[in-house]
Amino acid sequence: GENVEQHPSTLSVQEGDSAVIKCTYSDSASNYFPWYKQELGKRPQLIIDIRSNVGEKKDQRIAVTLNKTAKHFSLHITETQPEDSAVYFCAASIVSGANSKLTFGKGITLSVRP
Amino acid sequence: DTAVSQTPKYLVTQMGNDKSIKCEQNLGHDTMYWYKQDSKKFLKIMFSYNNKELIINETVPNRFSPKSPDKAHLNLHINSLELGDSAVYFCASSPSRWGTDTQYFGPGTRLTVL
Repeated sequence: GENVEQHPSTLSVQEGDSAVIKCTYSDSASNYFPWYKQELGKRPQLIIDIRSNVGEKKDQRIAVTLNKTAKHFSLHITETQPEDSAVYFCAASIVSGANSKLTFGKGITLSVRP
Repeated sequence: DTAVSQTPKYLVTQMGNDKSIKCEQNLGHDTMYWYKQDSKKFLKIMFSYNNKELIINETVPNRFSPKSPDKAHLNLHINSLELGDSAVYFCASSPSRWGTDTQYFGPGTRLTVL
């Protein structure tokens, strides 16, 4: 089946600490792995993505790592700030017939305590 | 200069009614999507259109009928609304149909069925 599992489902960290969110996927043909951030009452927005030919990608305080062998990828946020509090969704591209689609994980609620 | 817009933002209606949600994107993208986000925040793809052609149709009751008059517009009509249809419906667009590039989400339509 086409599963994207995300864990933990909630995470609370102290401001300034690091946060790590992990995802696993089941389709070995998946080749694109984005992370979306959704603030309360807002739309999901892409924050970083990684493709299967790359092991790690960094953008300022956020980074994503990919382990294709183990079929998991992780989002790393350093020096967390209160504005990082949001729901974070991982996703993986899944082949669907002649097309591909993104399958999203169930989301993790990150709370950054000031 | 809104990239992906949806109307209405809120929709409150009685069970059994029929309602429509409209979406427009001015990004020049070929592909548009409808997602349903339930009360547990789970983002589930419903439909995808590429240049007016339906390419992904998940297991959605046939009370839901999407229509794409042109590649910049994607509408969703729902017949005989049920309590379980209450959710936030997001429209999104992306440059291609392959699920391997950024998806830009609209602001969402919060549907409440009483």
